[in-house]
Amino acid sequence: EAQVTQNPRYLITVTGKKLTVTCSQNMNHEYMSWYRQDPGLGLRQIYYSMNVEVTDKGDVPEGYKVSRKEKRNFPLILESPSPNQTSLYFCASSQLMPGLAGLSNEQFFGPGTRLTVL
Amino acid sequence: AQRVTQPEKLLSVFKGAPVELKCNYSYSGSPELFWYVQYSRQRLQLLLRHISRESIKGFTADLNKGETSFHLKKPFAQEEDSAMYYCALSGGASGTYKYIFGTGTRLKVLA
Repeated sequence: EAQVTQNPRYLITVTGKKLTVTCSQNMNHEYMSWYRQDPGLGLRQIYYSMNVEVTDKGDVPEGYKVSRKEKRNFPLILESPSPNQTSLYFCASSQLMPGLAGLSNEQFFGPGTRLTVL
Repeated sequence: AQRVTQPEKLLSVFKGAPVELKCNYSYSGSPELFWYVQYSRQRLQLLLRHISRESIKGFTADLNKGETSFHLKKPFAQEEDSAMYYCALSGGASGTYKYIFGTGTRLKVLA
């Protein structure tokens, strides 16, 4: 089944303890992205990747790192989590077929990871 | 600044009534526009995109470049339309391909 998977689905941690949220897709998509969803703020893009070893900042990258060493995986790393990073995180992927303006293809989303930082 | 605005946090309508979820955008160029939907306990999924000019589940959205709007419409709401709806844009300039989402509108269709 074509899908985007995230692990873990739920995580409670303490301030300063490094953590990684994994994201994997089996659709051979070039484009992958991380978002956080907060009440009243909608989805905000953290980082995205156009392909292996190609990553760039979204609108809220502070406090996060990513890597894209393989096409299928795009882990999100919080080196020193803080309470303001408590949120619901979504990974997404899409085929890369840039239109004249931007990306015109559908993004496929993972199930989400609910992170609580105490 | 690039921005997507969804002015309504919550929209309640009765079954069979018309629905319009508003979306306005600010972008210096010609972005791609999308509507995504999140049903209860399901993943966020694409509803429609302006480039396809399609109608999905009875929903349509017309891009109005003059008003920089991409409102989502359906003539007769159904209870199963109750969900969270997000308007989004993607724009590429100088090799950057970000996505920007609105804050979302929760649609409740009442029996």
